[in-house]
Amino acid sequence: AAGVIQSPRHLIKEKRETATLKCYPIPRHDTVYWYQQGPGQDPQFLISFYEKMQSDKGSIPDRFSAQQFSDYHSELNMSSLELGDSALYFCASSVGQSSSGANVLTFGAGSRLTVL
Amino acid sequence: DAKTTQPNSMESNEEEPVHLPCNHSTISGTDYIHWYRQLPSQGPEYVIHGLTSNVNNRMASLAIAEDRKSSTLILHRATLRDAAVYYCILRPLLYGGATNKLIFGTGTLLAVQP
Repeated sequence: AAGVIQSPRHLIKEKRETATLKCYPIPRHDTVYWYQQGPGQDPQFLISFYEKMQSDKGSIPDRFSAQQFSDYHSELNMSSLELGDSALYFCASSVGQSSSGANVLTFGAGSRLTVL
Repeated sequence: DAKTTQPNSMESNEEEPVHLPCNHSTISGTDYIHWYRQLPSQGPEYVIHGLTSNVNNRMASLAIAEDRKSSTLILHRATLRDAAVYYCILRPLLYGGATNKLIFGTGTLLAVQP
């Protein structure tokens, strides 16, 4: 079965540089979520999109932006990178703007960003 | 949001059952109980979810207390591949078309000994 695809899997950047992470959701999934997981920490919600519109926002720095495109893939853009941005970034997708608590998220394998 | 409390870590022996507890005393009537797990260096993975009744799937069983203030994830025969952090997460009923994101707390690190 198709899974959530993230690219690149590994990325090394210098401080103050810019990075872009991509996420391709499972076919027919219309909601995408981005999470950040620092070393030894639990995943933290950053932002989500439903039908190409931002639907929720968490602890995403102002230096980060994201969007969902017409083919439902999403990109997370990170500018003015700081050492503290070094983390695993996970994308997840789900079906529908479900208000019930029953829907399930499927996560990708993550993109590991290292800022030097 | 209703919170969950889990032990920081647990140990199990391979091929033995594992019972992972979760307390959620402030759960509301419409909150679903979800379990996800995260294997080392991988993305979180859905395990099971339920509302009121016990649930079984190919990965695990979920036992929900009658008052719903606690639940237990049961792995019937632990394998080395089950070593992971297990997260118990409450997911509420939302209004106004809000996105039902997952909020991860501090899960239980399960170690499985051969």
